[in-house]
Amino acid sequence: AAGVIQSPRHLIKEKRETATLKCYPIPRHDTVYWYQQGPGQDPQFLISFYEKMQSDKGSIPDRFSAQQFSDYHSELNMSSLELGDSALYFCASSPSGGEGTDTQYFGPGTRLTVL
Amino acid sequence: AQKVTQAQTEISVVEKEDVTLDCVYETRDTTYYLFWYKQPPSGELVFLIRRNSFDEQNEISGRYSWNFQKSTSSFNFTITASQVVDSAVYFCALSLFFGNEKLTFGTGTRLTIIP
Repeated sequence: AAGVIQSPRHLIKEKRETATLKCYPIPRHDTVYWYQQGPGQDPQFLISFYEKMQSDKGSIPDRFSAQQFSDYHSELNMSSLELGDSALYFCASSPSGGEGTDTQYFGPGTRLTVL
Repeated sequence: AQKVTQAQTEISVVEKEDVTLDCVYETRDTTYYLFWYKQPPSGELVFLIRRNSFDEQNEISGRYSWNFQKSTSSFNFTITASQVVDSAVYFCALSLFFGNEKLTFGTGTRLTIIP
């Protein structure tokens, strides 16, 4: 079965640079979520989109922005990167109807390292 | 606000032993979902099980079983006849029932299966 795709899988940036993370949800999933997981920590919710509209916002820094496109893929844009942004960034998707409704299926994550 | 507590930080058991992971949650809402996710050393988050707040029937799926008790706000997860491949960090999580809701994770339990 198709899974959530995230790219790139690994990313190394310098402080103050920008980064763009991409997420391709499972086909026919209309909701996308972004989470940040610091070393040894649990995933923290950043932002979510339903049908290309922002549906909820968590502890996402103002330096970060995200959107969902017409093909349902999503991008997380991160600017003025700081050392503390080094983390594993997960994208998850869920369907709003049918089997698996409201269950979030996660991608493999993007490991961002800021030097 | 929701809160999930996993008091067991680390557990080690010998292969083939049974092991139970504890999860206690807090929410003022009466309808919600509870989840267990597994994060193996490779880093991905794997969905294991989901339970609705209005369904306290406990089930067994292969070597996995879970015990959901609303009276004590607990959602414990048991692995029987543990195997080395079960070694991972296990997260308990909660989301509200309204659709497209974020996950609130516990801090995770690191399970090590000793061969």
